[in-house]
This record gives sequence, C-alpha cells and structure tokens, in this order.
Amino acid sequence: GAGVSQSPRYKVAKRGQDVALRCDPISGHVSLFWYQQALGQGPEFLTYFQNEAQLDKSGLPSDRFFAERPEGSVSTLKIQRTQQEDSAVYLCASSLGGTSGTIWDTQYFGPGTRLTVL
Amino acid sequence: GQNIDQPTEMTATEGAIVQINCTYQTSGFNGLFWYQQHAGEAPTFLSYNVLDGLEEKGRFSSFLSRSKGYSYLLLKELQMKDSASYLCAVRGGGGFKTIFGAGTRLFVKA
Repeated sequence: GAGVSQSPRYKVAKRGQDVALRCDPISGHVSLFWYQQALGQGPEFLTYFQNEAQLDKSGLPSDRFFAERPEGSVSTLKIQRTQQEDSAVYLCASSLGGTSGTIWDTQYFGPGTRLTVL
Repeated sequence: GQNIDQPTEMTATEGAIVQINCTYQTSGFNGLFWYQQHAGEAPTFLSYNVLDGLEEKGRFSSFLSRSKGYSYLLLKELQMKDSASYLCAVRGGGGFKTIFGAGTRLFVKA
C-alpha cells in the first residue's frame, strides 16, 4: 500500500467495552508510533515500536491501554473497559528510520480511528 | 518539562505571506518537524529541520535556531486551501517521543 492505513475509521463503544484498533504501516518502515488526539489539540504520544520491540510506552494513560506489533509490521492498540475520557482520534504513524536524527525519522500518519465512548 | 508553544489562531489574506512561530523546551533535540492538518484528516509532513538555518520547499520554508529553541514556518502566496492547522513537533534527544504543539489554526480569507 502507498500509505499508512487504519481500521476501523470510526468506532462507537459502550462504556466498559473492549476495543481493538488496527494499524498497517508503510511497508518496510521500522518505526511505528501511536498517538491520541483530542479535539483542537496536537497528537499526544502513546507508544513506540522499533520493529516488533516496544521501546517506549510511557505515554499510555493507564494499564487499560495495551499495544502490540508481534511481527514487526501490523500493530494493534487495545483499550480495555473503555471510559468516556478515552473518546478521541487515535493516530498511527510510521517512519523509515528509528532515531537517526535525519529526515528518515519523518513520520507518516494514517487517517486515524475516531473512538466515541458512550 | 517538555513544552511547545505556538499561536492558537492566525488569519491572513489570499496571496499574502504568513509566518507561524514555534518555541520549544525539550530534553535534548533530534529534529523539528512541521505538519499540516486539515479538519478531520491526518497530519501531513511539510518540513524538517535538524540544523540551524532555513529550509525552503516551494511555497513553504522553515527556519530553526537551536540555541533559541525557536522555529518558524513561512507560507508564501497563500491559497484558500492553505486554511488548516499547522503543527510544530520536536523529537527529543535520547528517546523516541515526538512532542507536538497544540497547532496553529490558519484562516485564509479572500
């Protein structure tokens, strides 16, 4: 595929339900990021993968949030027992580089999943 | 702490030039990025600076001063389609986090 894809594009969940959000990064991209974006705000970092290794999960807001990338390509962000404050757009981004300090670190974003928790 | 500041909103006229400023305080520095985000869409990459100076790319230019923790994005020959949010983002040193500012909403009027 030409770009980063995410599914579903929209998800409505009842409070307490579990949800799983999928990200397909650009083929060959080493790095994968998850962000949470509230309305009118910039993306907030959640977690980072380099290939299959989750190297930074410091942005995950609680232990209800879990992310994986078992084969170093597709990633899933899972939110357990959703709460209303989890309502946001969840963005996935990938980059060719890791921490090269060069333009190869440029992140390319998917269209996002808009999660609404009722 | 880590912080990025940019103006909340700006308005400019079609055909004019606008400069969007960004100041940052981060733990280390490993590059600064500017992204454009139209409402309801994903951020799209505009420019990257890692060394001091000006990077020019068509109608868009971005400037960086690492000693001042300052960058700006310059948009020339504004078009209506440039109405969007512009996000300044900094990759800190020693880690993987990219910190984003809240974005500057630019309104281009005829």
